[in-house]
Amino acid sequence: GAVVSQHPSWVICKSGTSVKIECRSLDFQATTMFWYRQFPKQSLMLMATSNEGSKATYEQGVEKDKFLINHASLTLSTLTVTSAHPEDSSFYICSADLGTGNYEQYFGPGTRLTVT
Amino acid sequence: SQQGEEDPQALSIQEGENATMNCSYKTSINNLQWYRQNSGRGLVHLILIRSNEREKHSGRLRVTLDTSKKSSSLLITASRAADTASYFCATDRDSWGKLQFGAGTQVVVTP
Repeated sequence: GAVVSQHPSWVICKSGTSVKIECRSLDFQATTMFWYRQFPKQSLMLMATSNEGSKATYEQGVEKDKFLINHASLTLSTLTVTSAHPEDSSFYICSADLGTGNYEQYFGPGTRLTVT
Repeated sequence: SQQGEEDPQALSIQEGENATMNCSYKTSINNLQWYRQNSGRGLVHLILIRSNEREKHSGRLRVTLDTSKKSSSLLITASRAADTASYFCATDRDSWGKLQFGAGTQVVVTP
């Protein structure tokens, strides 16, 4: 159980366009999901916390107008990278916890974004 | 900034050998977790150890926690080629489930 999927697994887009990444909890409901960004050979950097039915909370330094997060249902959170630039190229990973209070998170397989 | 610092950054061993990696953190925690990431993939939860625990085992994994030194270690015994991955420690940042990840240790196990 506790499977999280992401779609797409990889995407190439042109500068100036927007890209939407979906994160779904397949067999459980997730009131809270997290979005991370990871550069090659580096650790995960938390971008924002996505809360079902309310606004996402963003980490310091993350532009909320650039990285739009929507958590419209208990099984789906989306991250939209708006007006993408080459420096937005990265590996984006989402995760969800079961809300049981044990802090264990279940991660999606990640989305590789390349902006040309 | 990353709370957890891990060492070594990279580790290369042969199958059958043990792999040990360490994680240090700066503030008090409720628990510490270890995750594995295969190249280009998401993270897989390995083990969680609570602040009142000192040692925990799961299969070939052994985790220790020393809250007085603010450090943890992950030992993989009898390593296999399939253990080749990056390993991250993560501590709870707040009561809302946020995690702070360490820099990670890249482990390569050669047959």
